[in-house]
Amino acid sequence: KAGVTQTPRYLIKTRGQQVTLSCSPISGHRSVSWYQQTPGQGLQFLFEYFSETQRNKGNFPGRFSGRQFSNSRSEMNVSTLELGDSALYLCASSSMFYRREGRNTQYFGPGTRLTVL
Amino acid sequence: GQQLNQSPQSMFIQEGEDVSMNCTSSSIFNTWLWYKQDPGEGPVLLIALYKAGELTSNGRLTAQFGITRKDSFLNISASIPSDVGIYFCAIKAAGNKLTFGGGTRVLVKP
Repeated sequence: KAGVTQTPRYLIKTRGQQVTLSCSPISGHRSVSWYQQTPGQGLQFLFEYFSETQRNKGNFPGRFSGRQFSNSRSEMNVSTLELGDSALYLCASSSMFYRREGRNTQYFGPGTRLTVL
Repeated sequence: GQQLNQSPQSMFIQEGEDVSMNCTSSSIFNTWLWYKQDPGEGPVLLIALYKAGELTSNGRLTAQFGITRKDSFLNISASIPSDVGIYFCAIKAAGNKLTFGGGTRVLVKP
């Protein structure tokens, strides 16, 4: 089974631009979560989608948004990029979503390294 | 929000040594997870703990879920060069949302 794939792997943008990152989950997985990883703040949860609906959201400004398609693929968008948005953006997929925590495992992709100049 | 304090922040290992790292929190959790991240990769789940007091092994790795449900530790026995990487503890909240500790960077002694 192929793992979680993320495209592109590397991206360079300038301040004020917007960017769209893509994530394809493991086949059969319907939950996709996004995380931002920076040296200063570590790994932080952005949002989770299941069955095309956002189920959980982290503490990020509205410039960060996402969506999920009927085939479970997900995209996240960052508008009006700031220097501080430079980070590794990780996507994780899981088979199920439970309202309370469940025992399902999350599998991470290799990430998209975004650099904002 | 929840905060996980992970220590040490970094450590040097010599091949054959046992190493230990831990995570503490001010809140009680029902699930503790340990991940490892290699350069250029996403985190990979090493061990999942679901019951207070639970001790679980995965090869040379052993992790325990603290009795108070506010802490967990990870041991690596007889370390080898490929143990180098960043180790993260994490707790799972509603749905699949993970909150991560700050990470322990494991490096090889020169």
